[in-house]
Amino acid sequence: AQSVTQLDSHVSVSEGTPVLLRCNYSSSYSPSLFWYVQHPNKGLQLLLKYTSAATLVKGINGFEAEFKKSETSFHLTKPSAHMSDAAEYFCVVSQISSGSARQLTFGSGTQLTVLP
Amino acid sequence: DTEVTQTPKHLVMGMTNKKSLKCEQHMGHRAMYWYKQKAKKPPELMFVYSYEKLSINESVPSRFSPECPNSSLLNLHLHALQPEDSALYLCASSQVVDRLEAFFGQGTRLTVV
Repeated sequence: AQSVTQLDSHVSVSEGTPVLLRCNYSSSYSPSLFWYVQHPNKGLQLLLKYTSAATLVKGINGFEAEFKKSETSFHLTKPSAHMSDAAEYFCVVSQISSGSARQLTFGSGTQLTVLP
Repeated sequence: DTEVTQTPKHLVMGMTNKKSLKCEQHMGHRAMYWYKQKAKKPPELMFVYSYEKLSINESVPSRFSPECPNSSLLNLHLHALQPEDSALYLCASSQVVDRLEAFFGQGTRLTVV
């Protein structure tokens, strides 16, 4: 079984300050982990992914995340927030399930607000 | 081409109507998914198709009927829906054998009146 916990439902930062969105996971196997972003009334866009290569993963728009197996964490960070970063962020864990189809398990989401 | 295309973008239907949502991808992916997303919630998995065969049905009511005519297309047929079925319906695809990311479409915003 696998699960994802996003520790904050809402995060508010000022423009130009760092962003930290926290995610913890549990998985029976070596997981693949992802962060997706969803702007209002839009689909999900992949920010970055971890698939058992480098533990520090760089994504689009200046985001990065570090896989820490000992802490079962995959926190998302960005050095300097931009107004356009305001959106809903989902941490997702993935593993092979029945029928050789991959299943994604979503966290509950973190709403990021960026203040001017 | 790394796009998943969903049509229509918006759909308003009555409770006695029959309509279909369409999803298309040309990435050679062999797994395709339907998700339902209510406001302020994460997507909920509805169906998974693997190699054009229904692999997972997450106990979805029969008023939702999926169809996978070929490896590039995925449909969701809707009949006799309820107002509580109003939501954003997302299609996604992924490679089956590798644990790679899923690509999502922009979704269909469905309103049942």
